[in-house]
Amino acid sequence: DGGITQSPKYLFRKEGQNVTLSCEQNLNHDAMYWYRQDPGQGLRLIYYSQIVNDFQKGDIAEGYSVSREKKESFPLTVTSAQKNPTAFYLCASTGTYGNTIYFGEGSWLTVV
Amino acid sequence: RKEVEQDPGPFNVPEGATVAFNCTYSNSASQSFFWYRQDCRKEPKLLMSVYSSGNEDGRFTAQLNRASQYISLLIRDSKLSDSATYLCVVSSNDYKLSFGAGTTVTVRA
Repeated sequence: DGGITQSPKYLFRKEGQNVTLSCEQNLNHDAMYWYRQDPGQGLRLIYYSQIVNDFQKGDIAEGYSVSREKKESFPLTVTSAQKNPTAFYLCASTGTYGNTIYFGEGSWLTVV
Repeated sequence: RKEVEQDPGPFNVPEGATVAFNCTYSNSASQSFFWYRQDCRKEPKLLMSVYSSGNEDGRFTAQLNRASQYISLLIRDSKLSDSATYLCVVSSNDYKLSFGAGTTVTVRA
C-alpha cells in the first residue's frame, strides 16, 4: 500500500542536540511538506519542497533544516538553534496540484 | 492577517443536532479547498474536498463562496463520533498549503 512513513513516532532530545525526523513516501508525489503543531494549535509550515533538490522556507523555518536528495525522502533536522522544539511534527505530500494531501502519522518530539 | 481563519469554537452540540461553521481565506488566487478532520494526537485525515458547486457526502455538506472568500462545512444529524477538530485547508497554484487553526466540535449524548 502507498503512503507516508514518519519515524520515529516518539523522540526525546537533550538540549543542545540536533535530531533528524525521517519522512518517506512511496506515492510518487512531487511535493512534500513539514508542519509543526503545538497543543491546541493549528499546523504551521516549516519547509516545503516541490521537486528534488529544491525546497522553500515556510512560516517558521528558523532552527530547522531539510534536504530533498530523493523524491521519496524529505528529512527534517531540528537543530539546537530551535529554542522550543517540543511539538508534534507532521510530514505531508501531494501529487498533482490540487490533489489530496496525505499525512504521515506524526512524530512527537520532547526536549528533556 | 492570517491566510486562513476559522472560528475555533468549541461547538458543543447534542446528538442529532446540525452544526455549521466557516473558514475564510485571504488569497483570492486560491484554487483548491479541503476539509480535514483531526482527532486528538493523530494526523489529519481528509473529510472532503470542496468544489465550486458545493458537494455533499452523507451527513456532511461543503460549500465554497469565492466572492466572499469562504468555505463552509455543515454536519447534519451529529453523531458522538463526529467529535473532532475540523481543519480548513486552502491550496494555491504554487503548491503552498495553508491550514486554518481548526474548529473543535464536541457532540454530547
